[in-house]
Amino acid sequence: AQSVTQLGSHVSVSEGALVLLRCNYSSSVPPYLFWYVQYPNQGLQLLLKYTTGATLVKGINGFEAEFKKSETSFHLTKPSAHMSDAAEYFCAVSALGFYGNKLVFGAGTILRVKS
Amino acid sequence: EAGVAQSPRYKIIEKRQSVAFWCNPISGHATLYWYQQILGQGPKLLIQFQNNGVVDDSQLPKDRFSAERLKGVDSTLKIQPAKLEDSAVYLCASSLASGVADTQYFGPGTRLTVL
Repeated sequence: AQSVTQLGSHVSVSEGALVLLRCNYSSSVPPYLFWYVQYPNQGLQLLLKYTTGATLVKGINGFEAEFKKSETSFHLTKPSAHMSDAAEYFCAVSALGFYGNKLVFGAGTILRVKS
Repeated sequence: EAGVAQSPRYKIIEKRQSVAFWCNPISGHATLYWYQQILGQGPKLLIQFQNNGVVDDSQLPKDRFSAERLKGVDSTLKIQPAKLEDSAVYLCASSLASGVADTQYFGPGTRLTVL
């Protein structure tokens, strides 16, 4: 079975500072990993995904994430935070299971950006 | 391209009442998902359809929840009777296919409050 752990339910950074949101996964088969962002009263929007190939994945809005198999991690980073980045971020893992593919989400991390 | 549409956006009901949610996926998307997102948690898959057939309903509380996808397009999710613990946001998502790397596109969700 797959699972995701997001370290830190709340992260606060200053505008212009580095953003680092942590995600560790557990999967018995090669995982496919996703980061989604959710703005208040909106659905989830895909930021980036890792399938195969290059382990450093670039997404929208300047975000990127690196797949580290040895550490079972897929941390999300952005060099310089912007006020508009304030939102909730979800890490998810997908793997082919008995019933087909299944997306399993972490509990989410709320990012606060201080001016 | 139009996104995933959901209605209503908000619903307040008394416990033991029934409620229904509607979802219209992105045109041409064969796979449709319903997720339940309880406050402070990540989305949890309730049911997955491939065209108009159910692929995975292992986490659907079948004694009170039901879902259908008529003609492989629109879908409805029903709760009857509702309990207090059903208060959550119900998200609908769709994807072109059901592969593990396929991106799921989410609607804005329906926020259900059970009093």
